[in-house]
Order: sequence, then structure tokens, then C-alpha cells
Amino acid sequence: EAGVVQSPRYKIIEKKQPVAFWCNPISGHNTLYWYLQNLGQGPELLIRYENEEAVDDSQLPKDRFSAERLKGVDSTLKIQPAELGDSAVYLCASSLGGAGNEQFFGPGTRLTVL
Amino acid sequence: AQSVTQLGSHVSVSEGALVLLRCNYSSSVPPYLFWYVQYPNQGLQLLLKYTSAATLVKGINGFEAEFKKSETSFHLTKPSAHMSDAAEYFCAVSGGNQGGKLIFGQGTELSVKP
Repeated sequence: EAGVVQSPRYKIIEKKQPVAFWCNPISGHNTLYWYLQNLGQGPELLIRYENEEAVDDSQLPKDRFSAERLKGVDSTLKIQPAELGDSAVYLCASSLGGAGNEQFFGPGTRLTVL
Repeated sequence: AQSVTQLGSHVSVSEGALVLLRCNYSSSVPPYLFWYVQYPNQGLQLLLKYTSAATLVKGINGFEAEFKKSETSFHLTKPSAHMSDAAEYFCAVSGGNQGGKLIFGQGTELSVKP
């Protein structure tokens, strides 16, 4: 069974440019998460989807970040415009939902903003 | 509110020695607790989880953790370290009405000396 797929794996852009990350969760997982991981720190939740509905986006900086999960499967996270401080790893995870279920993580997208 | 504190950002052990990574949590509701491992340039992989069943939880690769409610701890141990155990380890908590949102600690980098 394929795991969580993310692309691209690495992205280097100049500040003020837009960037987008794509995630394909494990088949059948209705819950999808985007986490931000800064260097030397644990991941922090940006947004959680239940099917196609964003049910927790309280930590998403909505002035420059946006996300969508059309048809409740794949998801895209966008930053426009990117700032130097956005340099980090963006992790996507999926699960069957609920607090006790395992979240399966993708390899992440490492973003460098110059 | 929930939080996790991992004591020691870096732990170094000799091959064959005991591994002990410390995790303390704070939660106003019965917690679910997780240990994840992250190898360089990879996503997070679940080692083990506590979901209110047995307090001593066994995971993959010989790791185990014991849930101690009185001490609000969930320390990770392995009797004998192997070179391949060198990685970043994250403790995380979820529960209540957070919908599976994981709150991660800062992480502990484990080094294994030959």
C-alpha cells in the first residue's frame, strides 16, 4: 500500500514569490493534516480536514496561506507571497480520524525562501 | 489545553547501552500519547502509542514506553541501543475535542556511539 505522497520534496524560491505543495493521502483516510516543522522543533498543525471540510485552521496564517482539499482526497497548500520566515519543512499526514488513531506522515516538502 | 515537554534536546549513548528518552505531558482530558521517530529528510514514523489500554506499551524496533498518570510521564526506553536508532524522536499528545490534532514536543536527537 502506498504511503502519503508529497511533492515537490524540495523547493527554493525568492521571497514574495508564490509556492504550492501537493499531498496525496493514503486511500480511505478521510482526515488530512498539514503541519509546519521548523528546524530543530516538533511539527505544528496548520490545518486539519475532515473529508473536504477544513475543521481546524486556527493556526493557518490566512493572510498569506491557503489550502484546499477538493473532492476530499488530494490537498494543496499555498503560500503567496512567501517570506523568509516561511523556510521550513511542510508535512502532510493522513489518518482514519479521531484522537487515538495513528497519523501517517509523508516525507515532507523542504521550502527555502531566499 | 495540552502540551508536551521532552527533557534533553540531545541524548548520546553507546551502542548496546540503555536508551531513555523523557517525555512529560499536560492534558485536561485523558490523553492519547505517541512516540514518533524521524530519520534525516524523512517524515515521521510511529514507534508506539498509548490509548488507555495497557500502561506499558511495546512498539517497533524494541522500543517501549510506560504511561504513568501520577507522574504525567511517558518515557521511551530500549534496553540495548543500535547504531540504526540514531534519529530524532518526538513525543506527542492528543485527546479531547481536538479531533486527532497532535501536540508535539521539541524533539530529542539520539546519537549512538560505536
